[in-house]
Parts: sequence; structure tokens; C-alpha cells
Amino acid sequence: KAGVTQTPRYLIKTRGQQVTLSCSPISGHRSVSWYQQTPGQGLQFLFEYFSETQRNKGNFPGRFSGRQFSNSRSEMNVSTLELGDSALYLCASSLTKWLDVKSEQYFGPGTRLTVT
Amino acid sequence: GESVGLHLPTLSVQEGDNSIINCAYSNSASDYFIWYKQESGKGPQFIIDIRSNMDKRQGQRVTVLLNKTVKHLSLQIAATQPGDSAVYFCAENILPLYNQGGKLIFGQGTELSVKP
Repeated sequence: KAGVTQTPRYLIKTRGQQVTLSCSPISGHRSVSWYQQTPGQGLQFLFEYFSETQRNKGNFPGRFSGRQFSNSRSEMNVSTLELGDSALYLCASSLTKWLDVKSEQYFGPGTRLTVT
Repeated sequence: GESVGLHLPTLSVQEGDNSIINCAYSNSASDYFIWYKQESGKGPQFIIDIRSNMDKRQGQRVTVLLNKTVKHLSLQIAATQPGDSAVYFCAENILPLYNQGGKLIFGQGTELSVKP
């Protein structure tokens, strides 16, 4: 079974631009979560989608948004990029059912975004 | 605010020795904890998990201990091998409320270095 895939793996953008990252979950997984990883802040939760609905959101500004499609693939978008948005963006999928407590998440390799 | 922190940022051990990585958490609302291993250039990889109704769980060469009284979590790796060198994160799964999904709150990570 293929793992979580993320595209692109590396991306360089300039301040003020916008970017869209893509995540394909493991087949059968309906929950997709996004995380930002930086050396200073570590791994921080961005948002989680289940069946095309955003169920949970972290403490990030509105410039960060996401969506999920009917095939469970997900995209996240960052508008008006800032230097501080440079990070590894990780996507994770899980078999979480609605209101399931345990949600073992499988991570993709991440997209390394550099903002110059 | 929510936080899951690690006591030591780095740990160096000899090959064959046992390793112990510690984690302190502050959110008593969660009942599920996970350890992840992240190798350079890869996303976090699930190692082992534990629910709050348990105080110990064993896997292959790994044991997780949970002390709810002092809100402390530890990961023990037996007979540490060079392939165990990585950054280890503890994560706390925040319980879903109503129609919200769960989310993971990660600690800052401990870098384990195994000397041959």
C-alpha cells in the first residue's frame, strides 16, 4: 500500500506570493491533517479535514487555508507569503472515524518551502 | 497554553546500551499519547502509543511508560542501534469534542545519537 505522498517536495517562493501544497493520503484514509515544522517552533498543528470538512484548526493566521476533495486528497494554501513561513509542511493521514479517539497518523515526507 | 515538552534536547548513547527519552505534558484533557521517530529528510514515523488507562506498553525493543500523577511520559529503547539515531517526538492527542477531530500537540523533540 502506498504511503502518504506530498507534492512538490521542495519549493522556493518570494515574499508576497502565494503557494499551494498537495497531499494524497493512504488509500482508504479519510482524515488528513497538516503540520508546520520549524527549528524554532517545532511541529505545530495547522488543520484537519475529514470527509471534505475542516474539523479542527490550529492557531495560525487566515493566510493559511486548506481544503479536501471527495477522493480525500487535500491541498493547503498560504497567501501573501512571509519569510517566517519558511518551513517543512507535513501532511498526515489516518483512518479516524467520526469522533474516534485514537487516530494513529501516518506522515508524508513533507514539502520544504523556502520564502526569500 | 497547550504544550508537550521534552526534558533534554540531545541524548548520546553507546551502541548496545538502553536509551530513555523523557517528555512532560501539561494538558490533562487528553488520554492518548504517541511517540514518533523522525529521520533526516523524512516525516515522523509512528513508534508506539499508549492510552491514559495504561501505565506501560511494550513493543519491539521499545517501552512507553506513562505517569499521570506527574504528567510524565518516557520512551525506553533497548539495545540501542545506530539505526535508532533520529529525533524523537512525544505527541499528545487532544480529544475530539462534539464534531471536532483530534489533533496532535508535539513536544520539541530529542535528538538521539548512537555511538558505535
